[in-house]
Amino acid sequence: AQSVAQPEDQVNVAEGNPLTVKCTYSVSGNPYLFWYVQYPNRGLQFLLKYITGDNLVKGSYGFEAEFNKSQTSFHLKKPSALVSDSALYFCAVRDMDKAAGNKLTFGGGTRVLVKP
Amino acid sequence: DTGVSQNPRHKITKRGQNVTFRCDPISEHNRLYWYRQTLGQGPEFLTYFQNEAQLEKSRLLSDRFSAERPKGSFSTLEIQRTEQGDSAMYLCASSSRGANEKLFFGSGTQLSVL
Repeated sequence: AQSVAQPEDQVNVAEGNPLTVKCTYSVSGNPYLFWYVQYPNRGLQFLLKYITGDNLVKGSYGFEAEFNKSQTSFHLKKPSALVSDSALYFCAVRDMDKAAGNKLTFGGGTRVLVKP
Repeated sequence: DTGVSQNPRHKITKRGQNVTFRCDPISEHNRLYWYRQTLGQGPEFLTYFQNEAQLEKSRLLSDRFSAERPKGSFSTLEIQRTEQGDSAMYLCASSSRGANEKLFFGSGTQLSVL
């Protein structure tokens, strides 16, 4: 079975400071990893994904994430947070093993609040 | 690309009634997913279609839930004999090609069962 843990319900950061949202995962095989963001009254939007290759992945709006296989982590980062980054962030995983199926499993989400 | 469209946006129903939601995916996408999200939780997988074939269904999904995707285009999700615990946001997503492709989500249908 595949699962995702986002240990922080909420992250507070001052505008201009670095932002980190933590994610750890569990899969039987190798993972496809994703980050999505959800703004109020809007659908989930894709930020970035890790499939293979370079462990540091760059995505939309200046976000990046680092895949760490030994720690089974995929933390989301942004060097300088903006007030407009305040939203709900979801980490998601899919097992590359075809026997695991096609579903994407999401974490519980982390609310990010960036204060001016 | 007009995005994934879901209707209705909101549905209020009485316990025991049947409800049906519709999802129109991005036209060239052959994969379609239904998820359910409750307040403060991440989306929970319900079912997956590749073209018109329903290939996966969550073991947590009650027999009261059924989904179809005739002709591999739009999809419907029906809930029979609704219960208060069915109250949630129902999300539809679509994607193309392989399992490593990102999902495009609709804005969802908010169901409230009174």
